[in-house]
Amino acid sequence: EAQVTQNPRYLITVTGKKLTVTCSQNMNHEYMSWYRQDPGLGLRQIYYSMNVEVTDKGDVPEGYKVSRKEKRNFPLILESPSPNQTSLYFCASRRQGSYEQYFGPGTRLTVT
Amino acid sequence: DAKTTQPNSMESNEEEPVHLPCNHSTISGTDYIHWYRQLPSQGPEYVIHGLTSNVNNRMASLAIAEDRKSSTLILHRATLRDAAVYYCILRDAGGTSYGKLTFGQGTILTVHP
Repeated sequence: EAQVTQNPRYLITVTGKKLTVTCSQNMNHEYMSWYRQDPGLGLRQIYYSMNVEVTDKGDVPEGYKVSRKEKRNFPLILESPSPNQTSLYFCASRRQGSYEQYFGPGTRLTVT
Repeated sequence: DAKTTQPNSMESNEEEPVHLPCNHSTISGTDYIHWYRQLPSQGPEYVIHGLTSNVNNRMASLAIAEDRKSSTLILHRATLRDAAVYYCILRDAGGTSYGKLTFGQGTILTVHP
């Protein structure tokens, strides 16, 4: 089944403790991105990647890092999480030239 | 990015058609109109997209005004499973947006049995 998976689905952590949210897609898509969703602010793009080893900032990249060493994986790294990064995070992927983006199920992160 | 305006909420009865409007008066010639929906506790899901002509697929139809300043997503027979937040999004086919989708607040669709 074609899908985007994220792990973990739920995470509660404390300020300053480094964490990684994994994202993997099995569709051989070139384009991947991370969004965060907050009440009243909609979904905002954090980072995106056009292909392996090619990443760039989205609208709200502060406090986040990403890497794209393999085509299927696009992890989101929070080196020193803060409470304002409490949010619902979505990973998405798209085949180059296609208009349809596939979203993962979301990761709900709480930073205390 | 060009802005879209949608009603905050709409209601429908099961098995009736639903017309979800979207205004985008500042749309540019290279902007595609995309619709996504987000079911409760799930990630957004692609519904349909178009540029100038009306479009149909297995999920819905998209009617685009001749001047492209508005569009309507049509669900021909609403089911309970169609209850979701529907987002109308403009995406620049050119430029440097690289496929970024800018989500607004969307329309909350409630479907009554």
